[in-house]
Amino acid sequence: AQRVTQPEKLLSVFKGAPVELKCNYSYSGSPELFWYVQYSRQRLQLLLRHISRESIKGFTADLNKGETSFHLKKPFAQEEDSAMYYCALTRAGGTSYGKLTFGQGTILTVHP
Amino acid sequence: KAGVTQTPRYLIKTRGQQVTLSCSPISGHRSVSWYQQTPGQGLQFLFEYFSETQRNKGNFPGRFSGRQFSNSRSEMNVSTLELGDSALYLCASMGGTGHGYTFGSGTRLTVV
Repeated sequence: AQRVTQPEKLLSVFKGAPVELKCNYSYSGSPELFWYVQYSRQRLQLLLRHISRESIKGFTADLNKGETSFHLKKPFAQEEDSAMYYCALTRAGGTSYGKLTFGQGTILTVHP
Repeated sequence: KAGVTQTPRYLIKTRGQQVTLSCSPISGHRSVSWYQQTPGQGLQFLFEYFSETQRNKGNFPGRFSGRQFSNSRSEMNVSTLELGDSALYLCASMGGTGHGYTFGSGTRLTVV
């Protein structure tokens, strides 16, 4: 079975502070990890994929297979980063056939 | 490029009725997945269709069904509605292996 855990339901930081949203997963096979973001009154949007190793809006995430984690980090948070963040997992290789397993989400609030 | 379009945006139905939701994927995307989002259970995978065939199914009762047409548009149907079916139903489409899933804005179903 596959499982994604986001231990923090709520996370508050001040503008300019570093932020780290935690994501741990449990999966016996080879995983593909994603971070999705949902801004207020907007649709769920893809933020990062671990396979692309890119930085989007200043966010980065590294897959740590030893610790089974895929934490999302940003060195200097901005107010516009306030949103709900979801970590999601699927089976690598394109054989998951549409199935993403989501964590429960973390609401990030960045205070001015 | 148009995004994933879901109709209708809102629905109110009575217990025992049935409902059909529609999803038009991004042009060229052949994989369409459906998810149920509730405050208690979060985002849960319903099923996935590719080239008019259901390739994967989540743990939902048989009252939840779907189909995909030759133009990749998809519909999901819920029969004999229950109060617990009240949720935001999201559709996502994918263009190919390794790409993330693009979500629609969802259909908010309320069962009274």
